[in-house]
Amino acid sequence: QQQVKQSPQSLIVQKGGIPIINCAYENTAFDYFPWYQQFPGKGPALLIAIRPDVSEKKEGRFTISFNKSAKQFSLHIMDSQPGDSATYFCAASNSGAGSYQLTFGKGTKLSVIP
Amino acid sequence: EAQVTQNPRYLITVTGKKLTVTCSQNMNHEYMSWYRQDPGLGLRQIYYSMNVEVTDKGDVPEGYKVSRKEKRNFPLILESPSPNQTSLYFCASRTTTSRLSHTQYFGPGTRLTVL
Repeated sequence: QQQVKQSPQSLIVQKGGIPIINCAYENTAFDYFPWYQQFPGKGPALLIAIRPDVSEKKEGRFTISFNKSAKQFSLHIMDSQPGDSATYFCAASNSGAGSYQLTFGKGTKLSVIP
Repeated sequence: EAQVTQNPRYLITVTGKKLTVTCSQNMNHEYMSWYRQDPGLGLRQIYYSMNVEVTDKGDVPEGYKVSRKEKRNFPLILESPSPNQTSLYFCASRTTTSRLSHTQYFGPGTRLTVL
């Protein structure tokens, strides 16, 4: 049973567009929701993360929107650039239970074309 | 430089030939983990370790072994590799002593092909 569902699987946008990647979770005990960015040939790296006590978090051009009642969160990339082309993974964990395990979505391959 | 290193980066082997992928971190992290990444399946956890001599199964542990004899090292062992273990493997680590830091730091990956 997949606990974090991510969509779409792939996404192509023009430079300057605003790609949106969505994730939904089932476990209401999850309390930490990070997004990881992975470039080809590299390991994933933390991009931005949110806790459920806020509905939005913004870091530079990257914004997480969080809807606790719907158990959904999404990543928005403002003014997207070709350098943002990468695979993006959402994840979730229950940090309050002393668990450090991250449950990942299946990933979204983003291509930003000039 | 704070980092997680993995070796080898690429490995082609044959079915049944034992292999070890090494992982080392220089951040004094307590928690270490192994993932495999497959197209359309994302990142799936194989094994993790909360500290020295403490290891536990993740979501897909079959066919793998790990050990944690030193805090910095967490090798992944495939005693009898099979073609279905062909994958991209990532080691990761994080601290467990800071309430403010939840970041997992990933290594560069090891691409394994089992013929």
